[in-house]
Amino acid sequence: AQSVSQHNHHVILSEAASLELGCNYSYGGTVNLFWYVQYPGQHLQLLLKYFSGDPLVKGIKGFEAEFIKSKFSFNLRKPSVQWSDTAEYFCAVSGNTGKLIFGQGTTLQVKP
Amino acid sequence: EAGVVQSPRYKIIEKKQPVAFWCNPISGHNTLYWYLQNLGQGPELLIRYENEEAVDDSQLPKDRFSAERLKGVDSTLKIQPAELGDSAVYLCASSLGRWDRETNEQFFGPGTRLTVL
Repeated sequence: AQSVSQHNHHVILSEAASLELGCNYSYGGTVNLFWYVQYPGQHLQLLLKYFSGDPLVKGIKGFEAEFIKSKFSFNLRKPSVQWSDTAEYFCAVSGNTGKLIFGQGTTLQVKP
Repeated sequence: EAGVVQSPRYKIIEKKQPVAFWCNPISGHNTLYWYLQNLGQGPELLIRYENEEAVDDSQLPKDRFSAERLKGVDSTLKIQPAELGDSAVYLCASSLGRWDRETNEQFFGPGTRLTVL
């Protein structure tokens, strides 16, 4: 079955701390991987995506993610978080049809 | 560029009542998606349209849910009758067209939060 699992449901960090959010997927065939973010009161927006090539993907606002095929993982990282990074983060996977399968989300709270 | 527009943003109804949600995708986007997001969960696809054709409605509970995209532009999702368990956020998204890995990013609307009492 196709699925996405996010390890952490709720993460609390202080400003300037490093962030790593875990994401593992189960999907047969070629995968496309995404991280979406939803800031408070706003709609879902794309943070970064991986289709092929360099497994280390850089996105907006200093975020990056690494695709490790052998571990079926696509973890999101940021070296130093800011209060404005407080949001909900969703990992998602798709195949050739474009249908997105989302994880359950991780709520990140950054304390100033 | 205007984003995906959804209305209403909030809706409160009593169970057994009908309800409808409207979505206007980004201009020029041929693919339209309806997702359901329960509290504390990620979005789940209900139906996907390529122009006016529903190409994936396998997750749509067809006994009470229906959707249409008559002219291949805006779309309506309806629930009749609504049940308590339908309380959720209903998201609409759009993308340029038939899936192209490199370019076919999905853009999401703000969603409609439905509360069924």
